[in-house]
Amino acid sequence: DGGITQSPKYLFRKEGQNVTLSCEQNLNHDAMYWYRQDPGQGLRLIYYSQIVNDFQKGDIAEGYSVSREKKESFPLTVTSAQKNPTAFYLCASSIGTNKNYGYTFGSGTRLTVV
Amino acid sequence: QQPVQSPQAVILREGEDAVINCSSSKALYSVHWYRQKHGEAPVFLMILLKGGEQKGHEKISASFNEKKQQSSLYLTASQLSYSGTYFCGTEDSYGGSQGNLIFGKGTKLSVKP
Repeated sequence: DGGITQSPKYLFRKEGQNVTLSCEQNLNHDAMYWYRQDPGQGLRLIYYSQIVNDFQKGDIAEGYSVSREKKESFPLTVTSAQKNPTAFYLCASSIGTNKNYGYTFGSGTRLTVV
Repeated sequence: QQPVQSPQAVILREGEDAVINCSSSKALYSVHWYRQKHGEAPVFLMILLKGGEQKGHEKISASFNEKKQQSSLYLTASQLSYSGTYFCGTEDSYGGSQGNLIFGKGTKLSVKP
């Protein structure tokens, strides 16, 4: 079945560490997105990529980095510069720039700083 | 720029109806609706494009009033499975969000037996 796989489901990070969240899709979608979800805040866009080897900052990109070396993969690194990284992170994909189609979301990674 | 959803939360008995509203201060090209159950991924329900169309999905339908820059989600004869948090995502008409969706804070719907 086609879909988006995020791993790990739960992740614990010590202060000062960088961690990388994995996102893989087999939907052949061109566009991929990373959202951060905090209680009562909705989904906020961190980074997005419309095509391989290209990505753009979203509304809250500070302290995060991404890469898009393959169409299927869009990993997110939470760096030590992100002061409040504890959150639920969601990866999504869509067919492309045509917004006539909805987003498909992964099941998320819950990151906790310990 | 974040769309405003109302109400923030609603509790229903099975079989009752509900309306969730999504309002934007920007002219909109499209509105998406998603439902998220606790700890799970949001699931796409429907998309409405400018033109004032109304769409349906089983007993869940939605309208898009382009002039008022708002969309409403209608849940009819609610079932227990409708429980979850509903999000609207909006795309600005003039590329103000770089063509990406901006999501509201969500409306938590609880359906009781």
